[in-house]
Amino acid sequence: AQSVTQLDSQVPVFEEAPVELRCNYSSSVSVYLFWYVQYPNQGLQLLLKYLSGSTLVKGINGFEAEFNKSQTSFHLRKPSVHISDTAEYFCAVSRVNNNDMRFGAGTRLTVKP
Amino acid sequence: DAGVIQSPRHEVTEMGQEVTLRCKPISGHDYLFWYRQTMMRGLELLIYFNNNVPIDDSGMPEDRFSAKMPNASFSTLKIQPSEPRDSAVYFCASSLIPGEGGELFFGEGSRLTVL
Repeated sequence: AQSVTQLDSQVPVFEEAPVELRCNYSSSVSVYLFWYVQYPNQGLQLLLKYLSGSTLVKGINGFEAEFNKSQTSFHLRKPSVHISDTAEYFCAVSRVNNNDMRFGAGTRLTVKP
Repeated sequence: DAGVIQSPRHEVTEMGQEVTLRCKPISGHDYLFWYRQTMMRGLELLIYFNNNVPIDDSGMPEDRFSAKMPNASFSTLKIQPSEPRDSAVYFCASSLIPGEGGELFFGEGSRLTVL
């Protein structure tokens, strides 16, 4: 089965600074990769996803992620964060032609003024 | 569409009581998933359905847990009897074709506290 490791449980950063949230995955077959965001007391929402093609994927709210097959990584980046980006971020993986999606443990991003 | 709807949003119960969580998926979505979120274990997949049929229930922790999907617009997750370690946020999600890269749409979750 596939698995996901998010390397940082918490990332504090100042407003307008860049941020990178790291994600590594493991799978013996081709995968789809996702980043979701969870605001307090809410469900998860999709930020972006990689299915195929260009390895650089752009999502909502100015976020982007890069798929690196050789390093089995899918790191999330934003060049300048806002206070409103404070949330929990989850990396997820699903195997191609398989229907179960597995999530990482999450990274809590805290943006400070 | 109203999105995935879960009820109740909050449930507080005593150990030994039966708990039933409910989910209405997005109309037209053939896949429905139940996840559990805790601080210790993160987001765990409990079970998922395709066209109302349970496909993989290997994540269901014990026989105390059961899930049903009697029709395309309704699913339940039942815990009987409940225990304090079942305290968690339970999420329902639905999707069109996850195996082809379709995203999951999550409800707002049901926060369960077992005393």
